[in-house]
Amino acid sequence: DGGITQSPKYLFRKEGQNVTLSCEQNLNHDAMYWYRQDPGQGLRLIYYSQIVNDFQKGDIAEGYSVSREKKESFPLTVTSAQKNPTAFYLCASSPRGLSTEAFFGQGTRLTVV
Amino acid sequence: AQSVTQLGSHVSVSEGALVLLRCNYSSSVPPYLFWYVQYPNQGLQLLLKYTSAATLVKGINGFEAEFKKSETSFHLTKPSAHMSDAAEYFCAVTLSGSARQLTFGSGTQLTVLP
Repeated sequence: DGGITQSPKYLFRKEGQNVTLSCEQNLNHDAMYWYRQDPGQGLRLIYYSQIVNDFQKGDIAEGYSVSREKKESFPLTVTSAQKNPTAFYLCASSPRGLSTEAFFGQGTRLTVV
Repeated sequence: AQSVTQLGSHVSVSEGALVLLRCNYSSSVPPYLFWYVQYPNQGLQLLLKYTSAATLVKGINGFEAEFKKSETSFHLTKPSAHMSDAAEYFCAVTLSGSARQLTFGSGTQLTVLP
């Protein structure tokens, strides 16, 4: 079945550590996105990529980094510079074209301990 | 800049009653509009989308939404609520000419009372 796979589903991090969240899609979509979700704030865009080896900052990119070496993969690293990393992280992908909807993974819940 | 406002962070309805979730957008150019649903600890699922083909859009699970340019609104409705409709609903917008895809509203939590 085609879809987006995020792993792990739950992740615990000690303060000062970097962690990487995985996002893989087999939908052959060009664009991929990372969103952060906090209660009452909707989804906020962290980074997005329209094509392999290219990506742009979203609204809240500070403390995060990404790479797009393959079309299928768009990992997100939460660095120690992110002061409040505890959140629910959602990865999405979409075909080209602005009228097309985004398809979402099941999310990764990151907790700093 | 585009933005989306969802009026009412929490809405409660009785089972069988009308569901109305409000969404207003701000945009100086024609937008594309979407409604998504999210169940606890899961990703988002598309309910319906407006892409200028028709102002009344029908989606999955009996939901529909009407695009009203004069009111800059895209409210989501369902004639009769079911217990399984309890979830969080997000309105989202993207603009023609924009490469950054969706901007989301803050969400509306729908509770369905027996």
